Amino acid sequence: AQSVTQLDSHVSVSEGTPVLLRCNYSSSYSPSLFWYVQHPNKGLQLLLKYTSAATLVKGINGFEAEFKKSETSFHLTKPSAHMSDAAEYFCVVSVRSGGYNKLIFGAGTRLAVHP
Amino acid sequence: SQTIHQWPATLVQPVGSPLSLECTVEGTSNPNLYWYRQAAGRGLQLLFYSIGIDQISSEVPQNLSASRPQDRQFILSSKKLLLSDSGFYLCAWNLQGTEKLFFGSGTQLSVL
Repeated sequence: AQSVTQLDSHVSVSEGTPVLLRCNYSSSYSPSLFWYVQHPNKGLQLLLKYTSAATLVKGINGFEAEFKKSETSFHLTKPSAHMSDAAEYFCVVSVRSGGYNKLIFGAGTRLAVHP
Repeated sequence: SQTIHQWPATLVQPVGSPLSLECTVEGTSNPNLYWYRQAAGRGLQLLFYSIGIDQISSEVPQNLSASRPQDRQFILSSKKLLLSDSGFYLCAWNLQGTEKLFFGSGTQLSVL
């Protein structure tokens, strides 16, 4: 069965320092993986997605994620955090089910950025 | 361009009262439609999905139901709300055969 585990429920960084949000997945076949971001009082926004092309995926706002099959990981990183990055981040795996693509969400990681 | 509208943004309802959340999509036809719920401290859980008018599938047993009376309209309902129904509800859509989901702005439901 497919599943997603986000290893940290809360991450706190200082502005200008690197960000690392960890995600491990479980899938019986080569998965499609995504990172979504949810800002307060806003809808969910797609940051980036991996679909078996390049293992290093670049997304919006300077984020990127690396697919590591040997570690079943898809960690999200950013070299330098900005105050506007404070939000909830979801790691997601896509599962084909009954003619549609079912997205399974992780529990989320809340990123806090301090001045 | 496609847009998705979800309302209301916030809702406070007493236990035992009915619920109706509405979601409409514009600018596309025959979308897949979804209702997700985000409970406090948990990830998004898929509640219902629909691949066409009056075609609804439920992912988890619960106190809620969904209907799709028109191609681009998806309604989440309950006859009698429970305290455990409190949460953040998101409507979403995508084109059939694609994975990228587009989300509405969500409804924060508080059942008191």
